Amino acid sequence: KAGVTQTPRYLIKTRGQQVTLSCSPISGHRSVSWYQQTPGQGLQFLFEYFSETQRNKGNFPGRFSGRQFSNSRSEMNVSTLELGDSALYLCASSLVSRNTEAFFGQGTRLTVV
Amino acid sequence: GQQLNQSPQSMFIQEGEDVSMNCTSSSIFNTWLWYKQDPGEGPVLLIALYKAGELTSNGRLTAQFGITRKDSFLNISASIPSDVGIYFCAGLPYGKLTFGQGTILTVHP
Repeated sequence: KAGVTQTPRYLIKTRGQQVTLSCSPISGHRSVSWYQQTPGQGLQFLFEYFSETQRNKGNFPGRFSGRQFSNSRSEMNVSTLELGDSALYLCASSLVSRNTEAFFGQGTRLTVV
Repeated sequence: GQQLNQSPQSMFIQEGEDVSMNCTSSSIFNTWLWYKQDPGEGPVLLIALYKAGELTSNGRLTAQFGITRKDSFLNISASIPSDVGIYFCAGLPYGKLTFGQGTILTVHP
């Protein structure tokens, strides 16, 4: 069974640009959550999607948005990139919303220059 | 919001030693999870705990859900070099995992 797949693995963007990250959950999983990981702040919850609906949202500015498609694949978008957005962005999939066993992808390393 | 305090922040041990780390929360959690993350990779789920007092093992790893539901412990017995990495606890109140700051484990052969 394939795991959680995130693309791309690495990305370099310039300040002010926007970026879209993709996550394909484990087959059959309907919940996708996104996290930002930085050395200073650790792992921080961005948002969770289930059945194409955002179920939970963390404390991030509106520049961070996401969506989920009918096949449960999810995308995360960050607009007007700032240097502080440089981080490892992790996606986790679960069978159902609020399910405890979340499985992570390898992450997308975003560098903003 | 919820705060998770994970300790110790880092550990340097000799191969073969046992390791203990713990997490405490400012509020009650319904579930505790323990993850391990290798450099450049996503966290991998090690153990999930669902009931207060529950003790669960996964090979050389043993984790416990504290009776107060505000803490959890992870023990690694007879450490080996491949145990190196960052260990995270995570609590799940309602839908969004809250992570501890992580414990960096270094194992000297």
